[in-house]
Amino acid sequence: EDKVVQSPLSLVVHEGDTVTLNCSYEVTNFRSLLWYKQEKKAPTFLFMLTSSGIEKKSGRLSSILDKKELFSILNITATQTGDSAIYLCAVEAIGDYKLSFGAGTTVTVRA
Amino acid sequence: SAVISQKPSRDICQRGTSLTIQCQVDSQVTMMFWYRQQPGQSLTLIATANQGSEATYESGFVIDKFPISRPNLTFSTLTVSNMSPEDSSIYLCSVKAASEAFFGQGTRLTVV
Repeated sequence: EDKVVQSPLSLVVHEGDTVTLNCSYEVTNFRSLLWYKQEKKAPTFLFMLTSSGIEKKSGRLSSILDKKELFSILNITATQTGDSAIYLCAVEAIGDYKLSFGAGTTVTVRA
Repeated sequence: SAVISQKPSRDICQRGTSLTIQCQVDSQVTMMFWYRQQPGQSLTLIATANQGSEATYESGFVIDKFPISRPNLTFSTLTVSNMSPEDSSIYLCSVKAASEAFFGQGTRLTVV
């Protein structure tokens, strides 16, 4: 069974801080790892990672995958209160169309 | 990308009753996925809905409790039957397009 573990479970930072979120996984026939941001109900897509060592960036957010060590990190620099959310990591296996989600990291950014 | 319209957005229901959640997608998709997110927890897949065949349920979920319909390639419903307070959750439908998963707005269900 696929396993996705996120850490920390929650953290509180102040505006301007940098946060690093971790996601480790165990999956047979890995296809991709995805990061989502969940503010209210519906998760919104951030990144999809398939190759090791290639950083993906979108504004203040970036993510990288290590397929040898089976983990990914999501970085948020210069955090803003609008970054407060649950960040979810999910993995997909080849030939299996469903996603397996981690428990999520709750990020709270204080002004 | 895919745009999913999910309704209702929220509901408060009496125990023992049933609620049907609808999802409409703006394009044709082969598979639609139904997730549950219990308070403070992550998303758990309930079932995968395929057009023209029975849904495939994950371990711990059964058709009698969560019947699913998939009459065409753009629409699906999930019914939560004989509800109890333990069914209070957010329910989300999802589709995949270009390897990305897109989600409906979610249904927040409270059973009293």
